[in-house]
Amino acid sequence: DTAVSQTPKYLVTQMGNDKSIKCEQNLGHDTMYWYKQDSKKFLKIMFSYNNKELIINETVPNRFSPKSPDKAHLNLHINSLELGDSAVYFCASSQDPPLNTQYFGPGTRLTVL
Amino acid sequence: KQEVTQIPAALSVPEGENLVLNCSFTDSAIYNLQWFRQDPGKGLTSLLLIQSSQREQTSGRLNASLDKSSGRSTLYIAASQPGDSATYLCAPSRANAGKSTFGDGTTLTVKP
Repeated sequence: DTAVSQTPKYLVTQMGNDKSIKCEQNLGHDTMYWYKQDSKKFLKIMFSYNNKELIINETVPNRFSPKSPDKAHLNLHINSLELGDSAVYFCASSQDPPLNTQYFGPGTRLTVL
Repeated sequence: KQEVTQIPAALSVPEGENLVLNCSFTDSAIYNLQWFRQDPGKGLTSLLLIQSSQREQTSGRLNASLDKSSGRSTLYIAASQPGDSATYLCAPSRANAGKSTFGDGTTLTVKP
């Protein structure tokens, strides 16, 4: 039933580790996104994929690598985690315009110790 | 670079009041603008989406307006209820690829 789902919901890890966050949408949307919400609640786009192709890549360290195996999935892999990576990461999806209301997942709270 | 400002940052009102949340953006070349609600510890829920060619959208007690040329949007909430307490975010989208820039949000508290 869930439209946009993310796993895990919480992730606690040590500095220097590599971790992945998974996202799946069952809405049949063509576009998926990753956002980062920092401790001050500021939400910023990181990546956007349309039909498995990268279309938006903001100024994000190359330790972050998105992977879209198919239209319904967009995973985020993070190498060599740093303290500053601690945040809530949201996945979202939308149809192509004009119906591009974005639907968000519940978020993954990443804590780097 | 698009910059989005939301005023006020926080708002506390008694139940039943009508209220207005403001959003301003610096780049008027937008494709659409979306208003979201975020409850503590939760994801974002889309409330209204206004296309750049539209002036307003309504959903129940919510009405959003858009003045693209002046870079402003407002979210009007009628007859506020305690359940409306949340952070409200506006996000203009610059291109049809859906690149949205979010404001910092207005945190609304509606007291019973």
